[in-house]
Amino acid sequence: QKEVEQDPGPLSVPEGAIVSLNCTYSNSAFQYFMWYRQYSRKGPELLMYTYSSGNKEDGRFTAQVDKSSKYISLFIRDSQPSDSATYLCAMTLLNSGYSTLTFGKGTMLLVSP
Amino acid sequence: SAVISQKPSRDICQRGTSLTIQCQVDSQVTMMFWYRQQPGQSLTLIATANQGSEATYESGFVIDKFPISRPNLTFSTLTVSNMSPEDSSIYLCSADRGYGYTFGSGTRLTVV
Repeated sequence: QKEVEQDPGPLSVPEGAIVSLNCTYSNSAFQYFMWYRQYSRKGPELLMYTYSSGNKEDGRFTAQVDKSSKYISLFIRDSQPSDSATYLCAMTLLNSGYSTLTFGKGTMLLVSP
Repeated sequence: SAVISQKPSRDICQRGTSLTIQCQVDSQVTMMFWYRQQPGQSLTLIATANQGSEATYESGFVIDKFPISRPNLTFSTLTVSNMSPEDSSIYLCSADRGYGYTFGSGTRLTVV
């Protein structure tokens, strides 16, 4: 079993739809959870950073963490064609005094006008 | 968050040669990280570079193949040595600013 599971997609939605992206993980030691957006031929861009279970909202984006179920989600409201990208979940555990990131494989999102 | 400049952005190299990738951060950071991203795969951590000490390599990566320098708190290099086609990948540097990790735009390497 991989540490972080993420459906690679692609996920195709029409403009304006609500998008739900998800990751599950197996290691309960993970402490911090992140979502990155990666456009083609670009580096990952940090979208959301959360620590505790619950929801965190930033504009059209909501990150949700359920540590008891080892499940995290990213919701995108009113999706736009410019949201078309690969979304990577990532999480950290404390290791030898610094944090290392473990990534999911990424979900490709396609938002059609 | 920090701005990271990475170069070259892409290169095509002959097998058996080496390529050095440079990463410049716009502010001082304690830790810098080097990742590899292969098609359809997760980002994989190669090593962690801390200024003033040897880099720490992850399982499956060795210093002879991926030597790293970290001469100061804003700069690091990764060398991919004695390249083979299996080294064709995207290489990314990253920095930790306390929370969240910022990435460079990546180096797309093709070995022929």
